[in-house]
Amino acid sequence: DVKVTQSSRYLVKRTGEKVFLECVQDMDHENMFWYRQDPGLGLRLIYFSYDVKMKEKGDIPEGYSVSREKKERFSLILESASTNQTSMYLCASSLPGTTNEKLFFGSGTQLSVL
Amino acid sequence: ILNVEQSPQSLHVQEGDSTNFTCSFPSSNFYALHWYRWETAKSPEALFVMTLNGDEKKKGRISATLNTKEGYSYLYIKGSQPEDSATYLCASAKIIQGAQKLVFGQGTRLTINP
Repeated sequence: DVKVTQSSRYLVKRTGEKVFLECVQDMDHENMFWYRQDPGLGLRLIYFSYDVKMKEKGDIPEGYSVSREKKERFSLILESASTNQTSMYLCASSLPGTTNEKLFFGSGTQLSVL
Repeated sequence: ILNVEQSPQSLHVQEGDSTNFTCSFPSSNFYALHWYRWETAKSPEALFVMTLNGDEKKKGRISATLNTKEGYSYLYIKGSQPEDSATYLCASAKIIQGAQKLVFGQGTRLTINP
């Protein structure tokens, strides 16, 4: 089975800090995604990557950047954390070109920005 | 941004009862419809990926139907069990740079009462 691992389950940071959220997948998937989940809202796409060093903005990229230097690792960076970035962050990966191109998710990082 | 709506937002069902809920999505430029189950403290897991109008999929006691012309999908659970308690997410997909970009609904939170 595909395993998507997020480096931290819970994280507490202060306003203005630079925050790195790491995600690693072990099944050689080309596509990787970062979502955030807030109460009453669906999962919202922040950024995605379809290949090494490639990235595309999602629906809410403001205040975030990403890095994909290796195929298995996709990092989400909060350049200067703000309280409105307190959220559950989910990483996912998928294998493109399959008829059943489903997402495999990590277990999430609950980030609190104080 | 595609607008994906799920109803109801939450649902309480007695153990043994059957239930169903709805996902509505824009029918234009449809590519695929995904259903995920997200149990508390776990990763969301894919249930179904559906692409064809009239498609029906089944996994144990859970089944789903798809109407791409009118833009809706139903998820059915027969004989609900406590382990079915979870948030059920649907997402509509379109293709960007060869990757499926998903827009999620806000989810239906299902609680099974023993």
